[in-house]
Amino acid sequence: RKEVEQDPGPFNVPEGATVAFNCTYSNSASQSFFWYRQDCRKEPKLLMSVYSSGNEDGRFTAQLNRASQYISLLIRDSKLSDSATYLCVVNYNYGGSQGNLIFGKGTKLSVKP
Amino acid sequence: DTAVSQTPKYLVTQMGNDKSIKCEQNLGHDTMYWYKQDSKKFLKIMFSYNNKELIINETVPNRFSPKSPDKAHLNLHINSLELGDSAVYFCASSQDRPSRSYNEQFFGPGTRLTVL
Repeated sequence: RKEVEQDPGPFNVPEGATVAFNCTYSNSASQSFFWYRQDCRKEPKLLMSVYSSGNEDGRFTAQLNRASQYISLLIRDSKLSDSATYLCVVNYNYGGSQGNLIFGKGTKLSVKP
Repeated sequence: DTAVSQTPKYLVTQMGNDKSIKCEQNLGHDTMYWYKQDSKKFLKIMFSYNNKELIINETVPNRFSPKSPDKAHLNLHINSLELGDSAVYFCASSQDRPSRSYNEQFFGPGTRLTVL
């Protein structure tokens, strides 16, 4: 089983639509969860961290379900500028000071006029 | 001011050559990383240094050798380049070790390496 799995998409949606992405992770000891955004031919950038209680930032809402080991990202009122690849990222702590960020392969979103 | 910078941005070279990519961060972070993003867009960690100490060394051919002269710099040297090394290489930095919770990583713009 892959460590962090995402539907690669592409998700093609019209402007103004609501779109949701899910991501599952395999290591139940994971401690931190993130959504990064990567535009075409650019570097990944942090979109938002995902906390156990869920969190919202404007049109973006992230949820974490530890029991089922999945993370979600909801984008409301999609804008053309939301077109990008969304990377689900999970921090694994192997014990002590050992740990690593594991990136999913990303979900591609294309918002059309 | 650029937070994490890499040079060169593009690198085209012949098989068998040796090349280096440089990375610098001005964020005052303690940890730096090298990632490889292949043609399938999969981003995978290669190395990580914390205060010049190697803390992550994933299964990478020993043709790849990172060097951290100080905590603001992490360079990547690649010997005997192969076709399969063609990819985008991203440098990143974070305040703390990757084991720390909610430790955001900041990425450089990437170096697009093409091996002919």
